[in-house]
Amino acid sequence: DTAVSQTPKYLVTQMGNDKSIKCEQNLGHDTMYWYKQDSKKFLKIMFSYNNKELIINETVPNRFSPKSPDKAHLNLHINSLELGDSAVYFCASSPQWISYEQYFGPGTRLTVT
Amino acid sequence: AQKITQTQPGMFVQEKEAVTLDCTYDTSDQSYGLFWYKQPSSGEMIFLIYQGSYDEQNATEGRYSLNFQKARKSANLVISASQLGDSAMYFCAMREEGGGGSNYKLTFGKGTLLTVNP
Repeated sequence: DTAVSQTPKYLVTQMGNDKSIKCEQNLGHDTMYWYKQDSKKFLKIMFSYNNKELIINETVPNRFSPKSPDKAHLNLHINSLELGDSAVYFCASSPQWISYEQYFGPGTRLTVT
Repeated sequence: AQKITQTQPGMFVQEKEAVTLDCTYDTSDQSYGLFWYKQPSSGEMIFLIYQGSYDEQNATEGRYSLNFQKARKSANLVISASQLGDSAMYFCAMREEGGGGSNYKLTFGKGTLLTVNP
């Protein structure tokens, strides 16, 4: 049973397209996150939701729009994809927003051509 | 200014030996947490260990221990009895806990690639 799952695992698309990455956690956690890891392995938080409410919104282009239909899901939609969006995107969850442990998904490798 | 600094881009260690991965941090918060994560070549991020700024004892988890020196603002990871499976990228991270939920975010260092030689 996968605790935090992401689909798809790989995504190759052309510039200008719109794409979504889905994340689901079956741990009953309240808080979910999106991180971006660039080609140099630098990992940076993008968004965090707690009980479906946005609590962290880093300086991210508004082409990126997270959506949390329920506590168990946090999807990431990206409009008008650019070459610089190529990265690995990680979803994570934690029991509560103050909890220190975060459980990461396997990552989605996005390649924009 | 960088909040988390990992000065060792790469480290090598012989199997069964201990290795220390360096991490220094910068914060003006009194309350914060320090974390280490492991990322094997398969790509997943694995939580290893946590140290709270008010914890007086160094955190330990199995073969992992965090050498916390508050005055020096360092939080080095010590891996004892290295194994081949320890070869991975290791990230130090910090969470400043002085405010509300919007501050509870992990800031990562650039990572150290550890290679364990047989």
